[in-house]
Amino acid sequence: GAGVSQTPSNKVTEKGKYVELRCDPISGHTALYWYRQSLGQGPEFLIYFQGTGAADDSGLPNDRFFAVRPEGSVSTLKIQRTERGDSAVYLCASSPSPVTAYNEQFFGPGTRLTVL
Amino acid sequence: AQRVTQPEKLLSVFKGAPVELKCNYSYSGSPELFWYVQYSRQRLQLLLRHISRESIKGFTADLNKGETSFHLKKPFAQEEDSAMYYCALSSVGSARQLTFGSGTQLTVLP
Repeated sequence: GAGVSQTPSNKVTEKGKYVELRCDPISGHTALYWYRQSLGQGPEFLIYFQGTGAADDSGLPNDRFFAVRPEGSVSTLKIQRTERGDSAVYLCASSPSPVTAYNEQFFGPGTRLTVL
Repeated sequence: AQRVTQPEKLLSVFKGAPVELKCNYSYSGSPELFWYVQYSRQRLQLLLRHISRESIKGFTADLNKGETSFHLKKPFAQEEDSAMYYCALSSVGSARQLTFGSGTQLTVLP
């Protein structure tokens, strides 16, 4: 079956611009995560959705970052006034619900964001 | 705060040699630990989780609470094991988000 998909695969933008990154989770997975992976680092947690609501957004670095999941499936990560430091690979992962101990997260291929 | 440390960024071994990828963690409580792997041009995927105590692709990992370690081991490395390996720790809240180490790039030489 289809895994987690993310679009676009690459995004190049200029400093100060607005970008949207899209994630399509595995069908039926109600838990959805966004992570950010900077060069040479492991993924870092940004936000977690259970259904339509953002249950934990403690990893968002500042208020320029926002994410939505209006119908409990597709999610969009939105970054306003992009900065060069936002350049990274943005990963989406989904997981079956309920989220239990040792739950496996299924990752998408990522969106590579480059801010010039 | 929870933290995962992978001290080796790069590790090279010859085919057939034993391999050990180190992982140390800091966490107050009972940790839920995982190894994820990313092969070249593929997405990040689960390799194993400590609760299952099973061998996946010949790899095993033992949780040592005294040393706060969760090292990944394989007795005889194969060329197809070459990949980036990440150790990860799950939070115990409802989100169970993962805290990852910085990863170890394993290269198995012919």
